[in-house]
Amino acid sequence: DQQVKQNSPSLSVQEGRISILNCDYTNSMFDYFLWYKKYPAEGPTFLISISSIKDKNEDGRFTVFLNKSAKHLSLHIVPSQPGDSAVYFCAAIWGAGSYQLTFGKGTKLSVIP
Amino acid sequence: DTEVTQTPKHLVMGMTNKKSLKCEQHMGHRAMYWYKQKAKKPPELMFVYSYEKLSINESVPSRFSPECPNSSLLNLHLHALQPEDSALYLCASSRFGTSGGNEQFFGPGTRLTVL
Repeated sequence: DQQVKQNSPSLSVQEGRISILNCDYTNSMFDYFLWYKKYPAEGPTFLISISSIKDKNEDGRFTVFLNKSAKHLSLHIVPSQPGDSAVYFCAAIWGAGSYQLTFGKGTKLSVIP
Repeated sequence: DTEVTQTPKHLVMGMTNKKSLKCEQHMGHRAMYWYKQKAKKPPELMFVYSYEKLSINESVPSRFSPECPNSSLLNLHLHALQPEDSALYLCASSRFGTSGGNEQFFGPGTRLTVL
């Protein structure tokens, strides 16, 4: 049973426009969420995170929104750049003392120049 | 220093070989992790060390043997691997022990091919 779902395997966006990557989760115990970006044959790079006590967190061009009632989060990238083309993984953690990141399957973002 | 380093970058080994993967971080993080990632899949957790003690072993076969010599170093010893063990092996670290809500920072990975 997949607890973190990224239902869009791929997304194409024009350079300069907004990229919106979506993530849904089923476990209401999750209380911390992270987004990672991954280029081929490299390790994931941490991008941005959000605690369940917040509904928005912003860092430069990246904003993460959390809707707890819908168990949904999204990553907005504005403006999108060709260098943003990568696979984006949503991940979740629950509970103090937890170590385990539960990852979604990833969404491949292609930013077209 | 805000990175996790891994060596080697690539490794090709036969099924009878013994090899080791190395990971290092100098961020003062007290938890370190080994993950395995197959193509087009998310990383899968293998082991967790918290304050240099093995705290989690996710039912990994004994042909993979982790070691944490000190708080900055993490090794993964490989012996008698199978071709299906070919994958990208990722090391990660995080600031606190196994406390929740802290970000894991990943190394670049070692691309392992077992012939």
